[in-house]
Amino acid sequence: GAGVSQSPSNKVTEKGKDVELRCDPISGHTALYWYRQRLGQGLEFLIYFQGNSAPDKSGLPSDRFSAERTGESVSTLTIQRTQQEDSAVYLCASSRGQGNRFSSGNTIYFGEGSWLTVV
Amino acid sequence: QKEVEQNSGPLSVPEGAIASLNCTYSDRVSQSFFWYRQYSGKSPELIMSIYSNGDKEDGRFTAQLNKASQYVSLLIRDSQPSDSATYLCAGPGFQKLVFGTGTRLLVSP
Repeated sequence: GAGVSQSPSNKVTEKGKDVELRCDPISGHTALYWYRQRLGQGLEFLIYFQGNSAPDKSGLPSDRFSAERTGESVSTLTIQRTQQEDSAVYLCASSRGQGNRFSSGNTIYFGEGSWLTVV
Repeated sequence: QKEVEQNSGPLSVPEGAIASLNCTYSDRVSQSFFWYRQYSGKSPELIMSIYSNGDKEDGRFTAQLNKASQYVSLLIRDSQPSDSATYLCAGPGFQKLVFGTGTRLLVSP
């Protein structure tokens, strides 16, 4: 696709329910990132994929959070037993090459985000 | 020490002035830096990237990288109210891009 696509764009869920957030990266981009941004706060790194593997899961805040990527394309971020503090926008981004070699070809581009509200 | 640091602001400038946004980083081997702009309620969008010491100009924007002093800055000339946003500096961390917390810029008419 032309850009990073995320769905749903908005999700309101009840505390304790599970949610799945989907990301379609830019075609041909092998690196994929998930960030979280709470209202008025900075970007919080969650997880990074290179291909289908996740070399860096260090940002996942708890074991309620998990993510997978298949076919070196679509990624799903799953939050189990949601809590009110999970309310945030979840941003997916992708880049062309190796995540640790940032150059002009490896610029990361963001999707519009999935806004999650836990009530 | 955080990998990328920015003053949260807000930085207030009048329309037509030069806005100067600064960022410092801790990793001496970092080679490339990026400036993203984020409007309220929107996702970050790339506005400038810089990979070598010195200045890089693109329209009203100039990015400056000083590797010896480990800082990178963004200058916005002839600031417009539409430039009011949060500006995020990003540099390479281990296998990921690390973002600063952003500087909020307010340009008053």
